[in-house]
Amino acid sequence: NAGVTQTPKFRVLKTGQSMTLLCAQDMNHEYMYWYRQDPGMGLRLIHYSVGEGTTAKGEVPDGYNVSRLKKQNFLLGLESAAPSQTSVYFCASSYYWGQVGSNQPQHFGDGTRLSIL
Amino acid sequence: AQSVSQHNHHVILSEAASLELGCNYSYGGTVNLFWYVQYPGQHLQLLLKYFSGDPLVKGIKGFEAEFIKSKFSFNLRKPSVQWSDTAEYFCAVNAGDSSYKLIFGSGTRLLVRP
Repeated sequence: NAGVTQTPKFRVLKTGQSMTLLCAQDMNHEYMYWYRQDPGMGLRLIHYSVGEGTTAKGEVPDGYNVSRLKKQNFLLGLESAAPSQTSVYFCASSYYWGQVGSNQPQHFGDGTRLSIL
Repeated sequence: AQSVSQHNHHVILSEAASLELGCNYSYGGTVNLFWYVQYPGQHLQLLLKYFSGDPLVKGIKGFEAEFIKSKFSFNLRKPSVQWSDTAEYFCAVNAGDSSYKLIFGSGTRLLVRP
């Protein structure tokens, strides 16, 4: 049981390049999330998904796109990378217990360290 | 807007010292509260959670937290820290009107000296 797996673990991009981060979970969770972690700012939600085929914006969605074509996968895309997107990106997933407010706790992947030059 | 404040950004303790990390949130309705820990180079792991019931919650590795609704607080405590507790600790809130989201505090870096 791998839990939440993120690929790649490290990546260096040049400004303007595009790339996709992959998140896969094997826990049959309904909800999936992408966060970025920056020093002194905790984790900020970029986008999230409440089920296959659905996505929604989080706190800091600009410059990112996501897709949830399969329940177990949640992809985060950077259309045109900028230095401000240098960060550590975490994917998380959580189960749906059937009640509002009870889709926690979230299970996190190991993170992707992304540097934009 | 909902927010979470962790006022201690860096804490340095010696082994066997007691720990208390502060967490305050701003939301007037029903909340679910969490503490996550991130050991160096690792992902976030759930330390403990509060959904309802007894406001004193016990988690893994001897940690506990107390939910005080009147103070909008959920402070983390441990009576005697160990060197292996060196990590970054995040308080998080899941509010009733945004059930899909966790709002994280900025984190507290704890360094325990042997």
